[in-house]
Amino acid sequence: TQLLEQSPQFLSIQEGENLTVYCNSSSVFSSLQWYRQEPGEGPVLLVTVVTGGEVKKLKRLTFQFGDARKDSSLHITAAQPGDTGLYLCAGQSNYQLIWGAGTKLIIKP
Amino acid sequence: DTGVSQDPRHKITKRGQNVTFRCDPISEHNRLYWYRQTLGQGPEFLTYFQNEAQLEKSRLLSDRFSAERPKGSFSTLEIQRTEQGDSAMYLCASSWAGLTTGELFFGEGSRLTVL
Repeated sequence: TQLLEQSPQFLSIQEGENLTVYCNSSSVFSSLQWYRQEPGEGPVLLVTVVTGGEVKKLKRLTFQFGDARKDSSLHITAAQPGDTGLYLCAGQSNYQLIWGAGTKLIIKP
Repeated sequence: DTGVSQDPRHKITKRGQNVTFRCDPISEHNRLYWYRQTLGQGPEFLTYFQNEAQLEKSRLLSDRFSAERPKGSFSTLEIQRTEQGDSAMYLCASSWAGLTTGELFFGEGSRLTVL
């Protein structure tokens, strides 16, 4: 069974701080996606990483795909209250998407 | 609005009743997915269609659940004889099969509460 483990499960920090969330697996993925979900809404795609070692930046968010394509991280610089939400990673393997359970992030003003 | 739309957004029903959810995908997308999500968890795959063909169905899905996509456009998800454990957010997503990276575009979800 393929699993994607996200850590931490929950993170509450002050506005302006930096943070990193992780997405780990023992399986290799052909690509990995990060989504953000706000309460009562569906997930919204943030980024897809495809190549081992790839780094993508989206404003204050930096996404990295591990060299072996088994893990990924999301780093947020100078977090803002608008970053609050559930961050989900999903790895693609054999045309299936394997989902993590998410990291619930709260940024306090 | 050309995004994925779901209806209804909220549904409260009594145990034992049947409910049906509708999903209208992005028009150019030929794949349509149904997921279930409970609070604080990631989406759980239920089933997916490519055009009108239902290509995969989760083994976790009981026979009380059925999904259709009769003309390869909108889809319905029906739950018969609802149970309290069916309470969840039901998410629909669509994608273009030609995208090898498989990004999904989600609707806003249909929240089901079974009393």
